[in-house]
Amino acid sequence: TQLLEQSPQFLSIQEGENLTVYCNSSSVFSSLQWYRQEPGEGPVLLVTVVTGGEVKKLKRLTFQFGDARKDSSLHITAAQPGDTGLYLCAGVRDYGQNFVFGPGTRLSVLP
Amino acid sequence: KAGVTQTPRYLIKTRGQQVTLSCSPISGHRSVSWYQQTPGQGLQFLFEYFSETQRNKGNFPGRFSGRQFSNSRSEMNVSTLELGDSALYLCASSLSRQRRVSNEQFFGPGTRLTVL
Repeated sequence: TQLLEQSPQFLSIQEGENLTVYCNSSSVFSSLQWYRQEPGEGPVLLVTVVTGGEVKKLKRLTFQFGDARKDSSLHITAAQPGDTGLYLCAGVRDYGQNFVFGPGTRLSVLP
Repeated sequence: KAGVTQTPRYLIKTRGQQVTLSCSPISGHRSVSWYQQTPGQGLQFLFEYFSETQRNKGNFPGRFSGRQFSNSRSEMNVSTLELGDSALYLCASSLSRQRRVSNEQFFGPGTRLTVL
């Protein structure tokens, strides 16, 4: 059983569309991170959220941490082909503990 | 500031051999974590080293081991390789500031290991 679940698993959309991907758990996390990974490369950190209800924006990407710190969402506005990749969420429950990763959402944005 | 570097980037081995992978963290980062990534299992945590001590360990057999040097560089070793060990091995470094759960991880490009 995955500690962090992500949905959808796969997403293929046209350029210009909006989308939301989700990261859910039954556990509370002290912090949560979102990464994007391209084939053959390591994940690149996009954002860290630490406060329940927190919303962070990174250009066309909006990240939200749930009030109970058990879930998070990533919303992309007007997706572009450059947004294509594997989106991973990762959480840590307390200082000194290791990060746990979700299985990822594979996004494909078609021109 | 230079990012996390991993060597080698690609490696081909045969069953039964052993392999050592290297990771140089971002300057000033004291924590190094290792992950195995496969299409079927995703990113699986192997172990974390902090100030030359293993702080956390995942659920991998004893064939997987690691160490960290005084300059924070880390190595991981896999002995008696099996076909299922074929994967992308990722290293991540972190400042690991005291009691800060928001310590961010920065990943290297990974080492692609193929076991034949």
